[in-house]
Order: sequence, then C-alpha cells, then structure tokens
Amino acid sequence: DTGVSQNPRHKITKRGQNVTFRCDPISEHNRLYWYRQTLGQGPEFLTYFQNEAQLEKSRLLSDRFSAERPKGSFSTLEIQRTEQGDSAMYLCASRPDGSVGSPLHFGNGTRLTVT
Amino acid sequence: AQKITQTQPGMFVQEKEAVTLDCTYDTSDPSYGLFWYKQPSSGEMIFLIYQGSYDQQNATEGRYSLNFQKARKSANLVISASQLGDSAMYFCAMREDHSGYALNFGKGTSLLVTP
Repeated sequence: DTGVSQNPRHKITKRGQNVTFRCDPISEHNRLYWYRQTLGQGPEFLTYFQNEAQLEKSRLLSDRFSAERPKGSFSTLEIQRTEQGDSAMYLCASRPDGSVGSPLHFGNGTRLTVT
Repeated sequence: AQKITQTQPGMFVQEKEAVTLDCTYDTSDPSYGLFWYKQPSSGEMIFLIYQGSYDQQNATEGRYSLNFQKARKSANLVISASQLGDSAMYFCAMREDHSGYALNFGKGTSLLVTP
C-alpha cells in the first residue's frame, strides 16, 4: 500500500493558463474523489468516480473544470483558463468499496497558485 | 445548507489533559456515517475514527473516542491524554447513504496543545 499519490505537489501558473493535475489512487481502490480546500476551510467535494465512470459532480465544478479517469486507475483534473479564485489545495482521495463506513484515504494534495 | 457544523474555530488544551471537539450534523437520511480527520500543518488528511448511524456503541480508537448523541445529532470527538503532536486542524465529516457519494466536511477546529 503506497498510498494515494498526487503530482505535482505545487503549481504556480498565470491567470488564463490551463493546468492539469494527476492522482494515482491506492491500487485496489475503485472509488476516487477530488476535493478542493482553501485556507481556513474544510475540503469541498468536486467530483467522484467509480472505476472509469464519473458518477457525481458538484456545482462547484464549473465548465472550466474537467476530470477523467480513463482506465479506472489514475485520474486527471484539468482547469482551463485559470482564475485567481482557483488558487487552492486540490486533494485526491480513494476508497476500496461503497459501504457507508469506508473512510477516504487522501493524497498530500496539489497546491495551485494562480498569479 | 451546511450539513456539518463545527462551532469552535480554535481550542487550547494542556498536554496530558482531555479535550472535546464539537460537531453537529443535519440529515434526514436514516443511514449515515460520521468521520473525524486530522490535518497537521504538513497538510495530509489523516482518518481518525468512524461512527455509523446504527452503531449502538460509541466508537473508540486508542486515545480517540466519539461521543455520539443521535437525538441531538452530535458527534463530538474526545481526545484523551493530549500530546503536543495532536496540535492540528480537526475536521468532522458525514456521508449519507442515500444522498450521493460525497463525504461532506465541516470547517474544522484548530487544536493547539500546550506544554
């Protein structure tokens, strides 16, 4: 169990540029989540995958955001035309099954700064 | 509407003392799960403890216990024998069995353990 891996750890970009983050979940976990966390707040849910299917998207996920999990393994989160308000920590998490009690295992996050 | 409420932005406790972090929740789903996570300054989210809505006993995990009062819709975290390493942000979260897949987090409580 190598844990959830996220790359890059930090990303600085200029407003208007596109950025892409990658998440590698724990290998036997077929459920994958993306969250966003701003300073002083709890993580906010963005989207959820079960295998390769994107089953839920938050209304926080504007049309500039897109997430994929093409083969049901790693996932990418792309933000197009970044805005300063997109500056946040982007967290990926996975869990092995759908039982209500299975906890999320989080990666260390990608910190995005939009200048 | 906020589903998880943590009313204590910050708490202090002296080393070796016990501390209670408050969490109230709002749901009409009879089946749900409540989670507590710790986030040290390094940023990773660490799962601490889980309580299911049908569990008869309060959950315990080492120095962590959950004071679950279903009628009051509260799920307070109790940390016994505080250690300096317990200084961190603590987040309460809930997953509802019939209302999507997201784990919804509160805004967190910052705990500082003093010598």
